[in-house]
This record gives sequence, structure tokens and C-alpha cells, in this order.
Amino acid sequence: DAKTTQPNSMESNEEEPVHLPCNHSTISGTDYIHWYRQLPSQGPEYVIHGLTSNVNNRMASLAIAEDRKSSTLILHRATLRDAAVYYCILNNAGNMLTFGGGTRLMVKP
Amino acid sequence: KAGVTQTPRYLIKTRGQQVTLSCSPISGHRSVSWYQQTPGQGLQFLFEYFSETQRNKGNFPGRFSGRQFSNSRSEMNVSTLELGDSALYLCASSLDPVAGYNEQFFGPGTRLTVL
Repeated sequence: DAKTTQPNSMESNEEEPVHLPCNHSTISGTDYIHWYRQLPSQGPEYVIHGLTSNVNNRMASLAIAEDRKSSTLILHRATLRDAAVYYCILNNAGNMLTFGGGTRLMVKP
Repeated sequence: KAGVTQTPRYLIKTRGQQVTLSCSPISGHRSVSWYQQTPGQGLQFLFEYFSETQRNKGNFPGRFSGRQFSNSRSEMNVSTLELGDSALYLCASSLDPVAGYNEQFFGPGTRLTVL
């Protein structure tokens, strides 16, 4: 699978928007962009995924660059419960997810 | 709908022993994947089972094995335990995936400590 690059950590204030970047310059045309997050002492949970177009769901929005070499996960209003490690994953191989180091998001009250 | 369950949640073994971990997927999910999470290596894919057949395998030694039963429940086994096998073992289930879309639902994990 192609590699992704994410900042090791980011900080946000509660109730403010958060933009989590991900670079994936070697993405192939069939790679989907997935985001998962892992809250402390829990297994990862799915957040959102997309291929080419921007996507929205109840948890977040995913903005994908036109050339697909980068994407941004947007949390519209961060809460303390959003403090987690966020993983950006490229996948075109079924259920074999390759996790990188992720971004540790800290939310300040 | 009940989530993915894993048993046991915690386990302590000694070097050289073997261990079996169990995973019950969400009802109706036919794919079960296993991951190992350590502080040094992060989350790494072990293997995936679908319809009782291993469909994908990660880069782990043969001491790590698994199987899936007809009810989709899965077990993984680690033989001849080493200290480095201490980790959180996570199980994830999903429906038969459409290519590229494979939302996986993870269980809480089994924390294995090897002494």
C-alpha cells in the first residue's frame, strides 16, 4: 500500500474546528482514503472514507485535493471526546489496512 | 446490534507457552481480521479470514496462526511465545467488502503480556 504522512501531534481548543492533514503523494487511482481514530484504551473506529470527491458524515468531513495527493479530515467542533490518535490510510486491498503512526489530537477545554 | 467481542481481555503467559485468542464478529459479518498493536511497531495487520479461508496475511512468522469457524467466529494462536509478542491484539470484522470500501469494526482487544 502507498504511504501516508501525518503530523505526529496537533492541539485544538474545545468547540473549535480542527483540520488534520494527510499527505499521500504516491496514491494510485484505485486507492481509497480512509480515516480511523483510536480513543484511549479502545480499538480503532471508522471515521470516514472517500475516493475523489469531498465527503461529509455525522462525525466529520473529508476534503480531498484535486490531484488526490493530500487530504484533510475536518472536525467541525472539537470536543474533549475527540481526543484520539487519527490514522489516515490508503487502501485498495480489501480488509488489509496498513496503519501509519497517525496524529495524536489533544483537545484543550 | 452487539459489537465485536474478544476474549479474554487480559492474559499473562510465560515464554515458550502458547496462547489462543477468540473473536466474535458482529452478526452477519463474514470477514474477520487480526491486528497486533505495540508501542514500537504500532498497528500491524496479521491476517484476514473470510468464509473460513485465510484471504490475506501480513508479515508475521509462522508461530502466528488463525482460523475461522462456520459461524464466522475466529481464533488466533501464537505458539512458542516470545517476550516481543507482548501486545494488544485487535480483531476487526466487516461485511463482505465492496472493493475499496471496507469499514471495519474493531473489538476492544486482548492485552497479552509475556513474562
